[in-house]
Amino acid sequence: GAGVSQSPSNKVTEKGKDVELRCDPISGHTALYWYRQSLGQGLEFLIYFQGNSAPDKSGLPSDRFSAERTGGSVSTLTIQRTQQEDSAVYLCASSPRRGMNTEAFFGQGTRLTVV
Amino acid sequence: AQKITQTQPGMFVQEKEAVTLDCTYDTSDPSYGLFWYKQPSSGEMIFLIYQGSYDQQNATEGRYSLNFQKARKSANLVISASQLGDSAMYFCAMRETQGGSEKLVFGKGTKLTVNP
Repeated sequence: GAGVSQSPSNKVTEKGKDVELRCDPISGHTALYWYRQSLGQGLEFLIYFQGNSAPDKSGLPSDRFSAERTGGSVSTLTIQRTQQEDSAVYLCASSPRRGMNTEAFFGQGTRLTVV
Repeated sequence: AQKITQTQPGMFVQEKEAVTLDCTYDTSDPSYGLFWYKQPSSGEMIFLIYQGSYDQQNATEGRYSLNFQKARKSANLVISASQLGDSAMYFCAMRETQGGSEKLVFGKGTKLTVNP
């Protein structure tokens, strides 16, 4: 597809279960971002990948959160032992290159509900 | 410390009038980029306009313009001739380089409502 693709679009999970959220960036984009958006709130930065460089994990809220990016393309955000406060929309974005003026292109998000 | 501050949780404007959405930022890096995104109720994030820290002129894109005051560290978005379709959340964001990372950090947003 032409845009950033995220799956699943919706996920309902029981408290304590692990979940995996997937992001397919735009082909050729070297930078990839994960954000969390709670209901009616702003975007909370989680993690940033750029090419083969070490990721910027400074936004991950706890060690229950982790992310990887395989082959410089697809990324998976994993949340272990989910809690109710993890309920949010998780947004992925990608950018074509490094540079201050490079916009980020966003996916439609995964709405996670922990019950 | 908050990097991006949007002090207006909600704003109202009459159709066809102009509106200014405020954004202030905090950085010690001389090189940075400022972005505005629109998020309609459908949830998608739509890029609107970009301003670089070294840009001499204020950015403009159609009905969107950016009132960039570098000394005050503000980058306010001006929407001229508001339309009903402009009703949405608007987010200001900043990209700066820290240790090789070029992450994009967002403010909490302003909800704009355009009244007919």
